[in-house]
Amino acid sequence: DVKVTQSSRYLVKRTGEKVFLECVQDMDHENMFWYRQDPGLGLRLIYFSYDVKMKEKGDIPEGYSVSREKKERFSLILESASTNQTSMYLCASSAPTMTGYEQYFGPGTRLTVT
Amino acid sequence: DAKTTQPPSMDCAEGRAANLPCNHSTISGNEYVYWYRQIHSQGPQYIIHGLKNNETNEMASLIITEDRKSSTLILPHATLRDTAVYYCIVRVLTFNDMRFGAGTRLTVKP
Repeated sequence: DVKVTQSSRYLVKRTGEKVFLECVQDMDHENMFWYRQDPGLGLRLIYFSYDVKMKEKGDIPEGYSVSREKKERFSLILESASTNQTSMYLCASSAPTMTGYEQYFGPGTRLTVT
Repeated sequence: DAKTTQPPSMDCAEGRAANLPCNHSTISGNEYVYWYRQIHSQGPQYIIHGLKNNETNEMASLIITEDRKSSTLILPHATLRDTAVYYCIVRVLTFNDMRFGAGTRLTVKP
């Protein structure tokens, strides 16, 4: 089974802190994604990556950056955390199949910024 | 992407079939219908996807109407562990990122 792991399930940070969220997948997937999930807003794409050292902005990249130095690892960085970044953060990976893509999600990190 | 409409909540008795509808009346010819679910405090889980033919796997069946404007996800024998939020997404095959709406909160009751 594909396994996507995230470094923390729960995280509490202070406003202005630099925050690192780590994601690792073990199935050699090329594609990796960072989303945030908020009540009433659904799942929104922050950044994604199709290859090592490659990144693309999603719908809401402001206030975030990413790093992909190795194929299995995709990091999300909050340069200066703010209270409006309190959210559930989900990492996912995917690879093409015969009939399309299946995304495999990690368990999520619930980040609270105080 | 085509917009989807799902009922906000549904109940189902344990052991009975759960039929979850999704309306996607503006779907275009190259868009697939995907279903995911999210059990409380977990990441979303892929269930099934299809283009126009009915699909079945070990988890569920997907029935797409002939005009492709709506679909139904069927869990043939719902268990308490199927209690989750179910998301219907319409997406072009070449785009593999997913964006979920509010979904349907399915509660399976004993």
